[in-house]
Amino acid sequence: EAQVTQNPRYLITVTGKKLTVTCSQNMNHEYMSWYRQDPGLGLRQIYYSMNVEVTDKGDVPEGYKVSRKEKRNFPLILESPSPNQTSLYFCASSPTSLSGDYGYTFGSGTRLTVV
Amino acid sequence: AQKVTQAQTEISVVEKEDVTLDCVYETRDTTYYLFWYKQPPSGELVFLIRRNSFDEQNEISGRYSWNFQKSTSSFNFTITASQVVDSAVYFCALSDPNRDDKIIFGKGTRLHILP
Repeated sequence: EAQVTQNPRYLITVTGKKLTVTCSQNMNHEYMSWYRQDPGLGLRQIYYSMNVEVTDKGDVPEGYKVSRKEKRNFPLILESPSPNQTSLYFCASSPTSLSGDYGYTFGSGTRLTVV
Repeated sequence: AQKVTQAQTEISVVEKEDVTLDCVYETRDTTYYLFWYKQPPSGELVFLIRRNSFDEQNEISGRYSWNFQKSTSSFNFTITASQVVDSAVYFCALSDPNRDDKIIFGKGTRLHILP
C-alpha cells in the first residue's frame, strides 16, 4: 500500500531532551515536507526537501532540523524541544516538487507534547 | 500575497441537510492549483480534490461537489445529504506559485453533523 509512515503517533517528552520523529514513504517520491498544525493557525511548513541531500527552510524552521540521506526517509529532529513545540506534526510527500500536479500524501500525524 | 480564507470556523448541521463550506483565495499568479483536504477526528489528512486554475468546471463525486469560480476567487465545497461520518475539519489549500513545492492552507472549517 502506498503510504507515508510517521513514528511515533504520540510522544510526551521533557524540555531539552533531543528527539527524532521519523517519516518514511514507499512511493519513490522526490519531494517531502514537514508541517505543524496548531489551533487557529492551520498548517505551517517547517522544512522541505526537493530530493536526496537537498533541504530548505519553510515558514517556521526555528528549533528544528531535518536530513534527507535517502529518498524514502525524512526525519524531523528537535535538538532541544521546548513547550512551544507542542503540536501536531505531519510529514507529506509528492512525486515531484510540483505539488500542484499531484497534491501531497500525508502521514497519519505525530502528536507531540513537550512539558 | 497568497492567502486562503475559510471564514466559517465551525458549522453544525443536522444529518441529511446540505452544507456548503466556503473558500476564498488570493493569488497574483494565473496558474495555480486549489485543493480540499479532510481531517476526521482520527487526525489524518485525506486528499479530496485538486483543481487547476484553467479548469472551471464544477466537479461532483457522490455526495460531494465543488464550485470553482475564478471571478470571485472562490472554491466552495458542498456536501449533499450530510452524514455523521462527514464530521471533520476541512481545509482548503492553494499552491504557492513562487514555490512549486509549497501548498498554503486555510485555517480550516470544523463541521459537526448532528444525528
